[in-house]
Amino acid sequence: DTAVSQTPKYLVTQMGNDKSIKCEQNLGHDTMYWYKQDSKKFLKIMFSYNNKELIINETVPNRFSPKSPDKAHLNLHINSLELGDSAVYFCASSRDRGEAFFGQGTRLTVV
Amino acid sequence: KQEVTQIPAALSVPEGENLVLNCSFTDSAIYNLQWFRQDPGKGLTSLLLIQSSQREQTSGRLNASLDKSSGRSTLYIAASQPGDSATYLCAVSETSGSRLTFGEGTQLTVNP
Repeated sequence: DTAVSQTPKYLVTQMGNDKSIKCEQNLGHDTMYWYKQDSKKFLKIMFSYNNKELIINETVPNRFSPKSPDKAHLNLHINSLELGDSAVYFCASSRDRGEAFFGQGTRLTVV
Repeated sequence: KQEVTQIPAALSVPEGENLVLNCSFTDSAIYNLQWFRQDPGKGLTSLLLIQSSQREQTSGRLNASLDKSSGRSTLYIAASQPGDSATYLCAVSETSGSRLTFGEGTQLTVNP
């Protein structure tokens, strides 16, 4: 069983479109995250949710909106996609600052 | 603001060598430190987690040490194998909030 799963794995879309990435974890963790890995492979936190509440919101454009319907899910919706949004987006989960487990990533390409 | 640095950025070694990857962080007020492995086009695989109160952790051929006061961690890989080729990432978790701050990684190539 996959511990942290994201869909889709690949996403190619045109500028201006709206898209969503879904994430689910079956580890019973209470904290979930979204990270962005840029073209230089550098990973940076975007959002963190604890028990469905937003606790970290880095300087991310407000076109990015996370939604956590329950503790096991954290989705990322992106409005009005721009070329610079192209990156790999990783979902992760942990038991409040414990060992973090990552999904396989979603490679977003905006054309 | 926490900053994490990994040295070297890339490393190429012949199979069988023992090697050390270095990680340093600027703020010693960490909750834990985690080493990950990332294969090309793949996600991150957790290798070792060291709590701030611990000095080292071992898993198979891997040993990670932590010197919190000096802001350093090392990942020791014994008897390297071609299958160890990957990017190794170091990340620290803050005491004040739930986030990991990553280094830029060390790209390791083990040649047969």
